[in-house]
Amino acid sequence: EPEVTQTPSHQVTQMGQEVILRCVPISNHLYFYWYRQILGQKVEFLVSFYNNEISEKSEIFDDQFSVERPDGSNFTLKIRSTKLEDSAMYFCASSLTGQVGPYEQYFGPGTRLTVT
Amino acid sequence: AQTVTQSQPEMSVQEAETVTLSCTYDTSESDYYLFWYKQPPSRQMILVIRQEAYKQQNATENRFSVNFQKAAKSFSLKISDSQLGDAAMYFCAYSGGATNKLIFGTGTLLAVQP
Repeated sequence: EPEVTQTPSHQVTQMGQEVILRCVPISNHLYFYWYRQILGQKVEFLVSFYNNEISEKSEIFDDQFSVERPDGSNFTLKIRSTKLEDSAMYFCASSLTGQVGPYEQYFGPGTRLTVT
Repeated sequence: AQTVTQSQPEMSVQEAETVTLSCTYDTSESDYYLFWYKQPPSRQMILVIRQEAYKQQNATENRFSVNFQKAAKSFSLKISDSQLGDAAMYFCAYSGGATNKLIFGTGTLLAVQP
């Protein structure tokens, strides 16, 4: 069964450093998402991406964040200058279309980002 | 703005028994979808069940079923014949209107006692 993969599984970085989290969505999916989950809290939407453009972003997704689909398979989330509060689990998801509901968003296993 | 509320931070059930997890939501949209996601200790998010708001019939998936009360904006998950593998965090989620983003509740941690 196709699945979303994410690398690395755990990333430790120092405050102020740039990090890139990588995701490989399911191959025929067209919509891609990043969510984050601070430890012990709920999962929060960051951004959705379609046709090489951001289709929606949350207030969390400020200028420190960017997303890119550099080739036909990878989807990346970059944090330019990490802060302590960026420590969280970051989930990538993909869906076949952007139509609400019936097309499931498939989640990757997550990348745990620890900022020290 | 749409919100999702899960008022039970933790629940416990005996193996083979039935448990119901509660979820309420708020929206002004008429067309939307509701979901229950399971997050085991591995932290992978797994879709358990989904409900389309325009369908009156409650969704079922094997041992999992929902009680969808649209007027009350309530969407509870019932797990029958609970198994040890059901132990996980369960998140209720909403998607609707012009957006396809998922809005999650705060989760309910379910423990299954042998």
